[in-house]
Amino acid sequence: AQTVTQSQPEMSVQEAETVTLSCTYDTSENNYYLFWYKQPPSRQMILVIRQEAYKQQNATENRFSVNFQKAAKSFSLKISDSQLGDTAMYFCAFMNYNNNDMRFGAGTRLTVKP
Amino acid sequence: DAGITQSPRHKVTETGTPVTLRCHQTENHRYMYWYRQDPGHGLRLIHYSYGVKDTDKGEVSDGYSVSRSKTEDFLLTLESATSSQTSVYFCAISSGTSGTDTQYFGPGTRLTVL
Repeated sequence: AQTVTQSQPEMSVQEAETVTLSCTYDTSENNYYLFWYKQPPSRQMILVIRQEAYKQQNATENRFSVNFQKAAKSFSLKISDSQLGDTAMYFCAFMNYNNNDMRFGAGTRLTVKP
Repeated sequence: DAGITQSPRHKVTETGTPVTLRCHQTENHRYMYWYRQDPGHGLRLIHYSYGVKDTDKGEVSDGYSVSRSKTEDFLLTLESATSSQTSVYFCAISSGTSGTDTQYFGPGTRLTVL
């Protein structure tokens, strides 16, 4: 079974600075998707960014970008120009191309300090 | 927000009582999912549906059943609730037709079993 590991339970960053959240995964599959979701105190799960494994180019969404290293099975999230509204739990998730079982990491709690 | 609602949003019940949680979507998505979220575990898949009357088990299906008699509604039932089922439950839909596309989540239901 696939597993997703987020090794940083908590992180903090100063407003306007850059922070990187780590994620590693374990799979024997070649085709899959990777996601980062954000969960603010409201508890709503919000998609931040998505990466398809067959694409070599790293996905970006405004201030959010990923560093996808397929051989190393690593998928880190970089948040640039951190804002107070980025304070949230961040979950890394993995999904095989051929099934519906999305696996989540345990999450990283990010606090952006003013 | 993908037009997903969950009801109730909060529920407190006693051990041994049956509980049904409802997920409703307005955009005719084929795939629907139920997850539970517990500290230290991220989200874990309970059951999913790939069409009316078509369902399958996820990673943590024991003690849960589901039904989907209409495209828009996906019900999760705890036949006899136990304290270990105290959790936050999320419903999700898949944005595509294959089930392997991005999942979007409802607002969650906090269930407490005393």
